Amino acid sequence: QVQMMQSGPEVREPGASVKVSCKASGYSFTDYGISWVRQAPGQGLEWMGWISAYYGNTNYALRLQGRVTMATDTSTSTAFMELRSLRSDDSAVYYCVREAQYHDYIVFLYWGQGTLVTVSS
Amino acid sequence: DIQMTQSPSSLSASVGDRVTITCRASQSISVYLNWYQQKPGKAPKLLIYAASSLQSGVPSRFSGSGSGTDFTLTISSLQPEDFATYYCQQSYSNLRTFGQGTKLDIK
Repeated sequence: QVQMMQSGPEVREPGASVKVSCKASGYSFTDYGISWVRQAPGQGLEWMGWISAYYGNTNYALRLQGRVTMATDTSTSTAFMELRSLRSDDSAVYYCVREAQYHDYIVFLYWGQGTLVTVSS
Repeated sequence: DIQMTQSPSSLSASVGDRVTITCRASQSISVYLNWYQQKPGKAPKLLIYAASSLQSGVPSRFSGSGSGTDFTLTISSLQPEDFATYYCQQSYSNLRTFGQGTKLDIK
């Protein structure tokens, strides 16, 4: 079965960077894209960006461009999301999610368990 | 970015009620609209894709409709396990966006 296993919780000071990993299993890693979605405490879902696991090309949310980088390591079937210049409002649960395609329609189907990132001095 | 606006932001209802949540896109997205359910402490779960197609395993009391800019999610007869937060999400643009969510709680 498809599983997306994320790295553990992180605490960072403002201005620092954080890198979250997401190890995929149960499918051919390069067949599907991976998005990252975050959720601040008590808030809604925010799509952060997407990476093609095959080509490595990316799309980032406009408000995060310049601070976020997504990458994959196909040898270990792992996706990474790095966020720089952290602020307190970056404190959130970060999810990786594998897409699925139903005909022309892309959905977020397989979610990681989430990684809590806390930004605090 | 395509903005997605849900209404209401919160809703109180009783078991057995019929409820409708709406989602409006800032531009036409055809039927590239998905609905998710999220329970506290859990990852979201796909309910509806392509505006009206029911994801496998999702109870038939959930239904979706709409096209262009206006969409609805309807739960025909609320069950206790349906009290959760619901999000719409567009997949028309490569820059995906979610609605702000609708929290459904027990009256």
